[in-house]
Amino acid sequence: GQSLEQPSEVTAVEGAIVQINCTYQTSGFYGLSWYQQHDGGAPTFLSYNALDGLEETGRFSSFLSRSDSYGYLLLQELQMKDSASYFCAVDSSGAGSYQLTFGKGTKLSVIP
Amino acid sequence: GAVVSQHPSRVICKSGTSVKIECRSLDFQATTMFWYRQFPKQSLMLMATSNEGSKATYEQGVEKDKFLINHASLTLSTLTVTSAHPEDSSFYICSARDRWQVDGYTFGSGTRLTVV
Repeated sequence: GQSLEQPSEVTAVEGAIVQINCTYQTSGFYGLSWYQQHDGGAPTFLSYNALDGLEETGRFSSFLSRSDSYGYLLLQELQMKDSASYFCAVDSSGAGSYQLTFGKGTKLSVIP
Repeated sequence: GAVVSQHPSRVICKSGTSVKIECRSLDFQATTMFWYRQFPKQSLMLMATSNEGSKATYEQGVEKDKFLINHASLTLSTLTVTSAHPEDSSFYICSARDRWQVDGYTFGSGTRLTVV
């Protein structure tokens, strides 16, 4: 089966940097992705790591270590609008199709 | 980029009735779509994988006779909640990925179902 662990809540100050960690146990692994979800909305794709290392997209970066089954999402220059839930998700194969398994989400609160 | 259109965004229905939710991939062909449900402040739980032209694959614990999935074309998948009960009230979300897209999935905007 699949399981992912990430912190349930994080609070950070506007302008600061925050790191959200994710560890996983999975059978079948193609990549680790991150999604942002604001209250009442659908998840939106942020980043995807298939290989070890750091991927940077603007203020957001994501890291993967396949040997450690670990990844993190790094948010820099935090803004109030970054307050949302962040989910890590393992992209794996099952029943002949790709699928995502989500962590329980980390609620990020950005304070002034 | 890839867009998945989901309708309706909100629906309120009476207990015992059925509700159909549609998801369309607007600018790509989605041979596979995924249906999730999400309870407040919880993660997305995969309900079923919808395959074009064949039967859906349901996750353990999901009643296939209650949550009917049809994927009749490469751009349309539907989820019908039959004989809805208040405990079916939830946020239902579909997702798909263009086969040429190598990273993330695109999600529909979600459907907030309230059964009264």
